[in-house]
Amino acid sequence: AQSVSQHNHHVILSEAASLELGCNYSYGGTVNLFWYVQYPGQHLQLLLKYFSGDPLVKGIKGFEAEFIKSKFSFNLRKPSVQWSDTAEYFCAVVSNFGNEKLTFGTGTRLTIIP
Amino acid sequence: DAGVIQSPRHEVTEMGQEVTLRCKPISGHNSLFWYRQTMMRGLELLIYFNNNVPIDDSGMPEDRFSAKMPNASFSTLKIQPSEPRDSAVYFCASSVIAGERGETQYFGPGTRLLVL
Repeated sequence: AQSVSQHNHHVILSEAASLELGCNYSYGGTVNLFWYVQYPGQHLQLLLKYFSGDPLVKGIKGFEAEFIKSKFSFNLRKPSVQWSDTAEYFCAVVSNFGNEKLTFGTGTRLTIIP
Repeated sequence: DAGVIQSPRHEVTEMGQEVTLRCKPISGHNSLFWYRQTMMRGLELLIYFNNNVPIDDSGMPEDRFSAKMPNASFSTLKIQPSEPRDSAVYFCASSVIAGERGETQYFGPGTRLLVL
């Protein structure tokens, strides 16, 4: 079965710092990968997704993620964070064959200090 | 587009009562998902439908939980009887093109349930 690991449970950064949130998945086949964001009190919104092609994916609000197949990773990055990026970030994976269920990681809470 | 609509947004009930959560997916979407989010367990998929047919309900905690999708524009998640451990935020999500792998899911605002 596929699984997703997000090792950073809570990250605290100052504004303008650079961000990288780790995401590793376990599945031997072809996968599609997602990052969702959940702002305080709100629902999950899609930040970016990878289906195929260029492994460096750019999303909304200056976020990007790089799919490294050999490392089974899909880390989220942003060069300079803002206070408004305070939220919980979820990595998710769905296999390309025979299983439509989206599997989410446990999430990383990001707190940006002004 | 109004997005995925869920009601109620908040529900407070007493243990033993029946709770019904409602979801209207985005028009044209034909896959619908029910999730539960808690601090302890994170985001869990409870059940999902494809063209109104339940495909996988292995995430449903127990027989107290049931879900229906009578048509393409409406789904319910029912808990009967409710228990305090059911307290959570319940999200509904929908997606388009059943069968296409990796389709993006769009989430509703959630129902925050508190069972006393």
